[in-house]
Amino acid sequence: EAGVVQSPRYKIIEKKQPVAFWCNPISGHNTLYWYLQNLGQGPELLIRYENEEAVDDSQLPKDRFSAERLKGVDSTLKIQPAELGDSAVYLCASSLARSSYNEQFFGPGTRLTVL
Amino acid sequence: GQQLNQSPQSMFIQEGEDVSMNCTSSSIFNTWLWYKQDPGEGPVLLIALYKAGELTSNGRLTAQFGITRKDSFLNISASIPSDVGIYFCAGQLTGGYQKVTFGTGTKLQVIP
Repeated sequence: EAGVVQSPRYKIIEKKQPVAFWCNPISGHNTLYWYLQNLGQGPELLIRYENEEAVDDSQLPKDRFSAERLKGVDSTLKIQPAELGDSAVYLCASSLARSSYNEQFFGPGTRLTVL
Repeated sequence: GQQLNQSPQSMFIQEGEDVSMNCTSSSIFNTWLWYKQDPGEGPVLLIALYKAGELTSNGRLTAQFGITRKDSFLNISASIPSDVGIYFCAGQLTGGYQKVTFGTGTKLQVIP
């Protein structure tokens, strides 16, 4: 079975440009997460979806970041406009259910470099 | 956001040696998790701990849930080159959905 798929794997853009990342979770996983991982740090949650509903977006910088999961399957994370400090790895993860702990499966991430 | 404190930050060891790393928090967690991240990949779950004092093994890996619920330890015995990577602890409260909080990571390098 395929794992979490993310694209692109790498993206280099100039500051003030928009950028979008795509994630396809494991089939049947209703919960989807976007994490930000800065160099030398652990992942930090940006947003969590239960099906198509964003149930925790408290850490998402809403002035420039947006996300959607229109049909409750794949998801897109967008930054507009990008800033130098947005350079990081953006990880997507999915899990099967939301009650108690259910293992989160991570994708390989998109490494963003903002010049 | 909050990150748990891991130590050491990085370590070089000789192949065959045992490794110990730990994770501390100012907050109590009900679940402790240990992940490994290889370069260019996402973290992969190694061990999950659900009870204070619990000791759980997964092959050469052994992890313990601290009795205070504010810390956890991971030991790797007889290290091999493929143990190279970054190890992250993570804590979670239980009761409905609770956010997973990750540590700062311990980078392990194994010298053959």
